[in-house]
Amino acid sequence: GALVYQYPRRTICKSGTSMRMECQAVGFQATSVAWYRQSPQKTFELIALSTVNSAIKYEQNFTQEKFPISHPNLSFSSMTVLNAYLEDRGLYLCGAREGVLYEQYFGPGTRLTVL
Amino acid sequence: GDQVEQSPSALSLHEGTGSALRCNFTTTMRAVQWFRKNSRGSLINLFYLASGTKENGRLKSAFDSKERYSTLHIRDAQLEDSGTYFCAAASSGSWQLIFGSGTQLTVMP
Repeated sequence: GALVYQYPRRTICKSGTSMRMECQAVGFQATSVAWYRQSPQKTFELIALSTVNSAIKYEQNFTQEKFPISHPNLSFSSMTVLNAYLEDRGLYLCGAREGVLYEQYFGPGTRLTVL
Repeated sequence: GDQVEQSPSALSLHEGTGSALRCNFTTTMRAVQWFRKNSRGSLINLFYLASGTKENGRLKSAFDSKERYSTLHIRDAQLEDSGTYFCAAASSGSWQLIFGSGTQLTVMP
């Protein structure tokens, strides 16, 4: 079956430092990978969409300079949170799918705590 | 921008009863997904619909793109159905999912 793994599951970093999180699709070819953030008391916000053969598209309020993403192949994506501060804490979800007409599968998320 | 309005935000049911969750969309959406967040925090796929209805056990979902809404019906609720349910709709432009704010369902004995 289709599965999405994310690691680490939880991470703590000091304010101003950076941390990298990874996402791996297993059991299908992920032509697009989307990163979301669920902040405390909020729903899931789309950070960026990475589609094969296209440039990574960032949503308003999120930038490549702050959240650089690497998507080297159809199975793997990583995102870094640079210079993390309190407002960056939350649950970061990776969603992947085989194509636009297919359902999206989500990983369990990486929970980021910033001290 | 495109928005997804999910209601109710919280719902309490007694075991064996049923109810419906609803998501309204401010624009035409191409597809909708329903998820339940499990005890470990993972999003479990319940349904993916581009149109019409789907049923799986005690759950049934409907999606009407023209009328801009989707519903998730739960019948004969069980204690293990408790959790947070999310709808997410794929926008016409980017096909990316826009999430509703979630419904916290509590099933009581």
